[in-house]
Amino acid sequence: EIVLTQSPDFQSVAPKEKVTITCRASQSIGGSLHWYQQKPGQSPKLLIKYASQSISGVPSRFSGSGSGTDFTLTINGLEAEDAATYYCHQSSSLLTFGGGTKVEIK
Amino acid sequence: QVQLVESGGGLVKPGGSLRLSCVASGFIFSDYYMTWIRQAPGKGLEYISYIGNSVSYTSYADSVKGRFTISRDNTKNSLYLQMDSLRVEDTAVYYCARGGVATTGHFQHWGLGTLVTVSS
Repeated sequence: EIVLTQSPDFQSVAPKEKVTITCRASQSIGGSLHWYQQKPGQSPKLLIKYASQSISGVPSRFSGSGSGTDFTLTINGLEAEDAATYYCHQSSSLLTFGGGTKVEIK
Repeated sequence: QVQLVESGGGLVKPGGSLRLSCVASGFIFSDYYMTWIRQAPGKGLEYISYIGNSVSYTSYADSVKGRFTISRDNTKNSLYLQMDSLRVEDTAVYYCARGGVATTGHFQHWGLGTLVTVSS
């Protein structure tokens, strides 16, 4: 099973600041890495697919990068509505999710 | 628009069984891989099982292998999860999600989830 390790577990960030979340895979997954945002009481929402491909309707401040084993989700200019937990997910071999990163607005 | 609606959750005793359903609309159901994902209270997302669009291919997480069975009825646009030998640790919100056409891929569409509580 491919293990995805996210860091940090928690981040408190002021509005307009930059947020960087990393996801490391236990073995190479190419570009088969996707990012989701989940707010309390809601279903997860897809933000980025295949490491860096944008999703229609998702604000441009969300971007993704990486390949192989190391991936990054960046939020450029955090807004209050971005308070949520963020998960990475790999679809290269079976399916696994990272443990999540909770982002709080300072 | 794509809609996924889960049902069938509830309270069940350890060792009991439950069958979840997910009714899909807004897309050609038979074209897509479908997946069940769960989230225990206050915890992260956990992949449970997926089924290919041709029905013949299924996959399970080790945590449910031998206890859960995924199936689909393309004539009813429905996905199912038969859960047997339930354990307290199976307590979670269960989501169905639409995958890709040729692979599970990413999940752009999720249902709202159905809560399963396993408790004596």
